[in-house]
Amino acid sequence: NAGVTQTPKFRVLKTGQSMTLLCAQDMNHEYMYWYRQDPGMGLRLIHYSVGEGTTAKGEVPDGYNVSRLKKQNFLLGLESAAPSQTSVYFCASSNPGTGGLETQYFGPGTRLLVL
Amino acid sequence: RKEVEQDPGPFNVPEGATVAFNCTYSNSASQSFFWYRQDCRKEPKLLMSVYSSGNEDGRFTAQLNRASQYISLLIRDSKLSDSATYLCVVANAGKSTFGDGTTLTVKP
Repeated sequence: NAGVTQTPKFRVLKTGQSMTLLCAQDMNHEYMYWYRQDPGMGLRLIHYSVGEGTTAKGEVPDGYNVSRLKKQNFLLGLESAAPSQTSVYFCASSNPGTGGLETQYFGPGTRLLVL
Repeated sequence: RKEVEQDPGPFNVPEGATVAFNCTYSNSASQSFFWYRQDCRKEPKLLMSVYSSGNEDGRFTAQLNRASQYISLLIRDSKLSDSATYLCVVANAGKSTFGDGTTLTVKP
């Protein structure tokens, strides 16, 4: 049982390049999330999904796109990377709970540097 | 105003001390509340969920005040291993919002 995995762990991009970050979970969770965390700050929600085939914008969606074609995978795309997108990206998954949300389980993070 | 606000600290306390963190939220429709712990450069991990009746897990006690829209975390008998950043999380209908975190350093 791997939990939540993220690929790649680290990447360096040049301004204007594109890339896709992959998140996979094996816990059959309905909900999946992409966050970014800048130094000294908390996690900010980029996009999230409440089920296969659905996506929604979070707090900071500009410059990113997502897709959830399979329940276990959630992809985050950067079409034209900018230095402001240098950050650590965390993926998480969860299930809906009686109070709205259950525990989120996080992947180990992807460290992205845009030059 | 941020949707979830925490005192950033840092809190520097000696071993054995009791320390309390507060967190306020602005969305009165929020349904779920959590405290997560994050160690340096690692992923956040659940410390405990927060229930209206309050809940305790060993040395940790969490409280929720819906009327005043704040949650709290109390750590008793602090250990060196408690040094970390503590993140307050508020969720509604699947969407979650994190506070910026409160940094705790426990010193010998």
